[in-house]
Order: sequence, then C-alpha cells, then structure tokens
Amino acid sequence: RKEVEQDPGPFNVPEGATVAFNCTYSNSASQSFFWYRQDCRKEPKLLMSVYSSGNEDGRFTAQLNRASQYISLLIRDSKLSDSATYLCVVNKIDTNAGKSTFGDGTTLTVKP
Amino acid sequence: NAGVTQTPKFRVLKTGQSMTLLCAQDMNHEYMYWYRQDPGMGLRLIHYSVGEGTTAKGEVPDGYNVSRLKKQNFLLGLESAAPSQTSVYFCASRTDVYGYTFGSGTRLTVV
Repeated sequence: RKEVEQDPGPFNVPEGATVAFNCTYSNSASQSFFWYRQDCRKEPKLLMSVYSSGNEDGRFTAQLNRASQYISLLIRDSKLSDSATYLCVVNKIDTNAGKSTFGDGTTLTVKP
Repeated sequence: NAGVTQTPKFRVLKTGQSMTLLCAQDMNHEYMYWYRQDPGMGLRLIHYSVGEGTTAKGEVPDGYNVSRLKKQNFLLGLESAAPSQTSVYFCASRTDVYGYTFGSGTRLTVV
C-alpha cells in the first residue's frame, strides 16, 4: 500500500460544479499537509496548506481528518482554469529525513 | 525574487553521455530535492539534501549523483545516460515550516 493515495480520476465536471478530492495517508505520525496544483508540463505549485481546523481560500476549502487519516480539497463554482492535476503532500515527523511524500495526483477537467 | 532556477530547460543526450543539471535557490532554504516525473506519472524522489555538504538517496537514485557544495546550489549528475532516464526533472527547495518551491523543470531526452 502506498503511503499517500489519491484517486487518479480523471474528474470531468461542468463549469460551476462543486468537486471534492480525497487523499489518504497511512502514517499516523504525519505532521503537516499541503495541496499542490500542477498544470500540464509545468512545475507543481503550492495551492494551500491544510490545517487541523480546516481552512478556506476563496473557492477552495481544505480539511484534515486525523482519525480517518485523510485530507480533502473542495472546489466550489469550478472554472475552466481549475483544470489541472492536484497533488497532496504529507510530511512526517522526522527531523533527519527532510522529505515529504507526494500523492500521484488527481486530474480535474472542467468543461464549458 | 527568482525562487528556484534550473538549467538547462531542455537537453538531448546520446546514450552513454554524461551531463549535470544545475539547481539554484535564493530563499536560503535548507532542504533541496531532485525529482523526476515520467509522462502521466507522479513525482519520484531521486536524491535530496538537508543542508550544505549533505546528500541522501531517495526512491530512485541509481544512475544519478548529486552534490551540495554551497547551500544555494544542488547539482544532479547523470554518469552514463540511458533512454530510461528520459524524463522531466524538477528541483525543489523548502524550509521546515513551508511547502516546496519547485523549479520550472528540465526536459531531458536520451536517444
């Protein structure tokens, strides 16, 4: 089983739809969590951090469920420009490792 | 503020040739990483560094070497290129608190 798992999709939704992605992680010692966005043939870019209390940034809402070991990303009122691959990133408590685990990504296509 | 800069952006190598990819960051980050991403696939960690003068192996280190002589630079070397190393290579840096900042990538083709 992978340390971090995402539904690869693709998710095909119409403009204006609400869509949600989940990302599960297996290591209960995981400490911090992020969502990244990657456009085709481009580098991943930080979309938002995920806090225990949940956080919102405009149309995007991120949630963390430590009991069930997953994080989620909700996108409301989808735009064509939201089409991308969304990666979740999980950091463990390991001061010597300095590395995180990336999910393989969930692909979203928003259609007119 | 340039962030993370990778050079070159594109390269075509013949099998058996060697080359070095350069990554430079101006954010004073301690941690630096090299990833590869094959078409339709996720990121795979090649090597990483937790500080100047340190390096460590990631998931797929074979065929690559790295050096971190200066804090701001992280070099990735291909000793003898193989077609299986055709990929997009991303360098990244981060601090303990914040997420990763990636370079724009190097598209490498080995023929």
